[in-house]
Amino acid sequence: GAGVSQSPRYKVAKRGQDVALRCDPISGHVSLFWYQQALGQGPEFLTYFQNEAQLDKSGLPSDRFFAERPEGSVSTLKIQRTQQEDSAVYLCASSLIAGGTDTQYFGPGTRLTVL
Amino acid sequence: AQSVSQHNHHVILSEAASLELGCNYSYGGTVNLFWYVQYPGQHLQLLLKYFSGDPLVKGIKGFEAEFIKSKFSFNLRKPSVQWSDTAEYFCAVNARSGGYQKVTFGTGTKLQVIP
Repeated sequence: GAGVSQSPRYKVAKRGQDVALRCDPISGHVSLFWYQQALGQGPEFLTYFQNEAQLDKSGLPSDRFFAERPEGSVSTLKIQRTQQEDSAVYLCASSLIAGGTDTQYFGPGTRLTVL
Repeated sequence: AQSVSQHNHHVILSEAASLELGCNYSYGGTVNLFWYVQYPGQHLQLLLKYFSGDPLVKGIKGFEAEFIKSKFSFNLRKPSVQWSDTAEYFCAVNARSGGYQKVTFGTGTKLQVIP
């Protein structure tokens, strides 16, 4: 069965470059979450979509981070002018119903390394 | 805002030993509680969750957790661990209220089971 997929799995960027990370949620899932997981830490919330609406972006660390889900399915997290502190694993999760109470299904993550 | 504390960062046990991983949260209202697990090389996946009802929740692979409201705790237990339980375990909390509330994760506990 199809789970949550993310691409690329690994990304190396030079400081100052822009990157785009893709998430394909489970088909039909209403909710989509992005998390940032630094080494030795738990996932830190970045942003939440309910269908195509971005209902919460309170976790985005700066205005260099931007996320979209234009058709309510695939989502892209974009980081502009990457900095070394952006190095982390970026996780995407989806859940069937709206809100944050349902089980979240996680993708494998994209490991971003900024040199 | 809610927060989650996992006091054990790294636990080493021999096979057949009993396991208890601590999780405490801070939030004054009603919460949903989760334990997620990440096996080596795999995605984060749900182990068990508590929404309401019986405070003793049973999950997959013989794990259980007990919600103790007076202690703001949701500790994970297993009577007899196996080598295959080697993984990282994350406690998470979601404040229950109308509409959407984000999920907050703890920093995780790495469990190493020695054969």
